[in-house]
Amino acid sequence: DARVTQTPRDKVTEMGQEVTMRCQPILGHNTVFWYRQTMMQGLELLAYFRNRAPLDDSGMPKDRFSAEMPDATLATLKIQPSEPRDSAVYFCASGMGSGRWNEQFFGPGTRLTVL
Amino acid sequence: GENVEQHPSTLSVQEGDSAVIKCTYSDSASNYFPWYKQELGKRPQLIIDIRSNVGEKKDQRIAVTLNKTAKHFSLHITETQPEDSAVYFCAAVGRSYGNKLVFGAGTILRVKS
Repeated sequence: DARVTQTPRDKVTEMGQEVTMRCQPILGHNTVFWYRQTMMQGLELLAYFRNRAPLDDSGMPKDRFSAEMPDATLATLKIQPSEPRDSAVYFCASGMGSGRWNEQFFGPGTRLTVL
Repeated sequence: GENVEQHPSTLSVQEGDSAVIKCTYSDSASNYFPWYKQELGKRPQLIIDIRSNVGEKKDQRIAVTLNKTAKHFSLHITETQPEDSAVYFCAAVGRSYGNKLVFGAGTILRVKS
């Protein structure tokens, strides 16, 4: 049963520190999405990639957030410097690039707490 | 941009009753409408989806209906069980928005036994 994996599952850090979250999409999926979930804002799309190329990162604060796909099996989301308002659960999701490619499968999430 | 509104925000039903959650969308070009279920502390999981060329789809106790003219779609859960208690999210994707999913705000469903 193929699943999206994310590390770390939980991260507690202090304001100003760099945070890196990692995602391994399902093998064969070529679209990767990063979401942030908070009680106040719900599920927000931060960025997404197709075939490792960034297609849209308009939902991401550019000054502190960056998203990359160094290879087809790894996507990263970095926050530098982190702030308390970044505390949230960050989900990665992946999907296929054709046919039923609209379907997105979510990873377990990274719960980030910035003190 | 695309906007998806979801109602109600919370819903309590007795075990065995039906539950209905409704969503409206703004982009008439939207062509894919998934529903996700998220249990406390877990990931959102796709439970059913519908495409714009279909008016209704059923999978055991859950069904989704789509009214393209009115731009709304609904999730129907029959014979609800305590394990149906979760947050449910609707979403829509439209060609004019790069095929991104735009999510509704979610509905907290409580099934009382």
